[in-house]
Amino acid sequence: NAGVTQTPKFQVLKTGQSMTLQCAQDMNHNSMYWYRQDPGMGLRLIYYSASEGTTDKGEVPNGYNVSRLNKREFSLRLESAAPSQTSVYFCASSERWGGNSPLHFGNGTRLTVT
Amino acid sequence: KNEVEQSPQNLTAQEGEFITINCSYSVGISALHWLQQHPGGGIVSLFMLSSGKKKHGRLIATINIQEKHSSLHITASHPRDSAVYICAVSGYALNFGKGTSLLVTP
Repeated sequence: NAGVTQTPKFQVLKTGQSMTLQCAQDMNHNSMYWYRQDPGMGLRLIYYSASEGTTDKGEVPNGYNVSRLNKREFSLRLESAAPSQTSVYFCASSERWGGNSPLHFGNGTRLTVT
Repeated sequence: KNEVEQSPQNLTAQEGEFITINCSYSVGISALHWLQQHPGGGIVSLFMLSSGKKKHGRLIATINIQEKHSSLHITASHPRDSAVYICAVSGYALNFGKGTSLLVTP
């Protein structure tokens, strides 16, 4: 049982380049999330998908787009990377939206934008 | 937004010590989560609780809904407990504390 699989683990981009972070879960969870983690700050929600077919902005959505491809997969796209997007990104999933079911996290993607 | 405060920010303990990490929040919630992030970066869910107390091995989590406060206790701490412990509270979306970095020395 793989849980939440997130790729890639590391990525270095130049300013202006684009990339897509991939995330897949095999727990039949309804809700999926993308967070970023920066030093000295708590995890911050970028986008979420409460259920298949829906996506919504979180706390820090600017510069990102998402796609809920199907119930399993939720991708995060940076269209034109900026140094401010240097961060560690985590995908997560839960059975239900709203914080009332446990979160399962991927192993993270360390992104550096130069 | 629910403000989540954790204390202490950093904690060093000797192996075998009893450890307490605190979490306070500003707005009433339906659930509180404790997470563990190891130096390798992965995050795992330890507890989700809405009242009372939960225990798993040497870890105990308590919550006082009226006081808007939760504690995570580690009994007989071990170097492998060294990690960042994160509190998160339910709401529109989960609101996360900044974490408590714990180092347990042999």
